[in-house]
Amino acid sequence: SYVLTQPPSVAVAPGKTARITCGGDNIGSKSVHWYHQKPGQAPVLVIFYDSDRPSGIPERFSGSNSGNTATLTISRVEAGDEADYHCQVWDSSSGHWVFGGGTKLTVL
Amino acid sequence: QVHLVQSGAEVKKPGTSVKLSCKASGYTFSNYALHWVRQAPGQRFEWMGWSNIGDDNTRYSQDFQGRITISRDTSANTAYMELNSLRSEDMAVYYCARGAAGSIQYFDYWGQGTLVAVSS
Repeated sequence: SYVLTQPPSVAVAPGKTARITCGGDNIGSKSVHWYHQKPGQAPVLVIFYDSDRPSGIPERFSGSNSGNTATLTISRVEAGDEADYHCQVWDSSSGHWVFGGGTKLTVL
Repeated sequence: QVHLVQSGAEVKKPGTSVKLSCKASGYTFSNYALHWVRQAPGQRFEWMGWSNIGDDNTRYSQDFQGRITISRDTSANTAYMELNSLRSEDMAVYYCARGAAGSIQYFDYWGQGTLVAVSS
């Protein structure tokens, strides 16, 4: 089955840029979707189809996807961005929805 | 706005079954798919199965085939997920999530989650 790999944690100072990666075999050929999840809350979609933002998600959130790595970029990081971030793809070969292991973003 | 409200926490013994509910509001229930995803402690999200609410077509992950049943009551705007033969490894938070409009690929809204504890 298809495997997505994320770093367990990323730490960044307020106002700086956070980059969270999601690795997978030729992931650039798939569409990647990102969710954030704060403790005790439901996951929230922040990026879909690699780089599209749902309404209500700040422009500070962007995404890219190429080769074997997809990246979620959060510019001008704020304390409220602290959360777990999960990447997800739909694996057409298995017909399964697959998630990365999640990355905990810490705002220093 | 869209809301998915899930039933409360459950404590179950190994070998028994659990049936969770997910009540939808704020949209036309039959126009969207409804998925079930779980997250065990310290583990990644794991997709379990989905129901195409409009035609009641369901599909399950092979990892749960034979143990899971997803159903829905369109008159109550509610979906259900029943998992049988529970074991300790099934202890997790279970989420329902709506399939995005016009796309099979991702989930645009999630429920708040239901904690299922399995213990003798």
